[in-house]
Amino acid sequence: AQKITQTQPGMFVQEKEAVTLDCTYDTSDPSYGLFWYKQPSSGEMIFLIYQGSYDQQNATEGRYSLNFQKARKSANLVISASQLGDSAMYFCAMSPMNRDDKIIFGKGTRLHILP
Amino acid sequence: GAVVSQHPSRVICKSGTSVKIECRSLDFQATTMFWYRQFPKKSLMLMATSNEGSKATYEQGVEKDKFLINHASLTLSTLTVTSAHPEDSSFYICSARARGRTNQPQHFGDGTRLSIL
Repeated sequence: AQKITQTQPGMFVQEKEAVTLDCTYDTSDPSYGLFWYKQPSSGEMIFLIYQGSYDQQNATEGRYSLNFQKARKSANLVISASQLGDSAMYFCAMSPMNRDDKIIFGKGTRLHILP
Repeated sequence: GAVVSQHPSRVICKSGTSVKIECRSLDFQATTMFWYRQFPKKSLMLMATSNEGSKATYEQGVEKDKFLINHASLTLSTLTVTSAHPEDSSFYICSARARGRTNQPQHFGDGTRLSIL
């Protein structure tokens, strides 16, 4: 069975500081993809970053980076130099590669950036 | 720009009304689309997998007669909430991924806020 665990229901971070959002996962699929999405209060789901299970390097997209530790089954999101606009709900997600299957979401972490 | 269009964005209607929500992939074909329901301050709950040209696959506990799904083409899936009641009020959101691109992220519509009076 697949499972995504986000243990931080809420976080408060000072503006301009870096923040790490935790995510651990469990799967029996040999190849899989890990994703992070941002959901602001308006509701839309915004794709942030992707990491394939066989990717050798950690993914980076601008201020977002994914700290992928396969042996520990963790895929933490790091946001550098946080901004007020980063305040939102963040979801870690996973889906198997090589077949068109559903994406599994964690429960999310609500991030509050303080001015 | 948006690659998945969901319409309408907000619906307010009386109890007993049936409501249809559309999910369109704008610049790619999707043999599979997904419908989620989200309660306030909760994660997305997968309701069903919409399969082009065949029956949808529903998650356990989701009433298929209440939530009708039609995936008539490679770019359109519809979710119809039949005879909606106040307990069906929620945020519904769809997602799709380009056919064959299993290592690509799913793109989401902007969601539909459904309020049943």
